[in-house]
Amino acid sequence: SQQGEEDPQALSIQEGENATMNCSYKTSINNLQWYRQNSGRGLVHLILIRSNEREKHSGRLRVTLDTSKKSSSLLITASRAADTASYFCATDGAQKLVFGQGTRLTINP
Amino acid sequence: EPEVTQTPSHQVTQMGQEVILRCVPISNHLYFYWYRQILGQKVEFLVSFYNNEISEKSEIFDDQFSVERPDGSNFTLKIRSTKLEDSAMYFCASSPRAFAGYTFGSGTRLTVV
Repeated sequence: SQQGEEDPQALSIQEGENATMNCSYKTSINNLQWYRQNSGRGLVHLILIRSNEREKHSGRLRVTLDTSKKSSSLLITASRAADTASYFCATDGAQKLVFGQGTRLTINP
Repeated sequence: EPEVTQTPSHQVTQMGQEVILRCVPISNHLYFYWYRQILGQKVEFLVSFYNNEISEKSEIFDDQFSVERPDGSNFTLKIRSTKLEDSAMYFCASSPRAFAGYTFGSGTRLTVV
């Protein structure tokens, strides 16, 4: 299985702080993607990083990918209350996404 | 911004009944998917669909499940004889090409009683 697994499972920080979530996977991939899910809602695509990329930015998001360690991290800078959600990494290696368990992020005002 | 639309948002059905979950993917997308998420658990792949046929399916997607793209816009998931363990949130997704980001719908919450 090429499943991504997130760490930590839950993270609670103060508004304005940075949040870092990590993801590990097992097999070779074409790309790795991060999604956000607000409670009971659909998944929203945040960012995609290809296997030949090491770092990517999008607004307050920074994603890194280390294919030698089969790991990725998602950094959210200057967190806001609206960032409270679950964050999932998903690996794409065979025309389907395989999701990890997710990190539940809570931003405290 | 284009959206993937799923209907109904919530469906309650009796065990053994057939259900059809409906999705309208983004019009210029070529790849279509169904995923499900049992409450509190991870998002699980069910099936991918490209060029009017199933390209991959998971072990979950057994003979009780089928997908169809009947009219070039709708994409449906049918569960022939629902079981209690089919209770979950079902998400439809589409992508414009292989190895691209997916756009997910808001989901259908299926409750089997």
